[in-house]
Amino acid sequence: DTGVSQDPRHKITKRGQNVTFRCDPISEHNRLYWYRQTLGQGPEFLTYFQNEAQLEKSRLLSDRFSAERPKGSFSTLEIQRTEQGDSAMYLCASSPRVRDRDYNEQFFGPGTRLTVL
Amino acid sequence: GEDVEQSLFLSVREGDSSVINCTYTDSSSTYLYWYKQEPGAGLQLLTYIFSNMDMKQDQRLTVLLNKKDKHLSLRIADTQTGDSAIYFCAEKPISGGYNKLIFGAGTRLAVHP
Repeated sequence: DTGVSQDPRHKITKRGQNVTFRCDPISEHNRLYWYRQTLGQGPEFLTYFQNEAQLEKSRLLSDRFSAERPKGSFSTLEIQRTEQGDSAMYLCASSPRVRDRDYNEQFFGPGTRLTVL
Repeated sequence: GEDVEQSLFLSVREGDSSVINCTYTDSSSTYLYWYKQEPGAGLQLLTYIFSNMDMKQDQRLTVLLNKKDKHLSLRIADTQTGDSAIYFCAEKPISGGYNKLIFGAGTRLAVHP
């Protein structure tokens, strides 16, 4: 199965610590997205990349959050000085270019569940 | 504004049809999606419909779109216990540059014998 993979699947950390998550998209998908999902809610958009360029960031992405996709393949999401409110599932998705425009399908990974104590 | 609403819970008997409903607000949305999420897992893309269509069928799944009322539904025929999950409706509006998906809070489908 060559779906989107995320690592780690679970992370427990103490408030104030830094954490980093990794996402490996489906091969040759040039768009990569990060979403956050809190309990009982649907995913909320955080940011997305086209190749290595970060094209949009949500207002949800405070300055403690940074995402990179240095070579246009895997991506990392780092949260500095974690807070209890950061506890959530962090989902990564990737999307292929199907036509000249429109990346119609977003395929999600299994997510990284973050618990901040 | 961007808002997608779904009922929170649906319970059906195994073998019956399930209908999950969704309303969205942004008429500019080009595509509308249904995703399935099982416990502890990511989201699985089930199907999606282009906004100029009013129906799409894919095996046991039928999507109906009423663009005038901004209403989307997902019908699952012959519902099985393996269909128990949370189902998310999502839109892809112009306000998001046609890039990001806006999700509802999800409908939890419980299938009982």
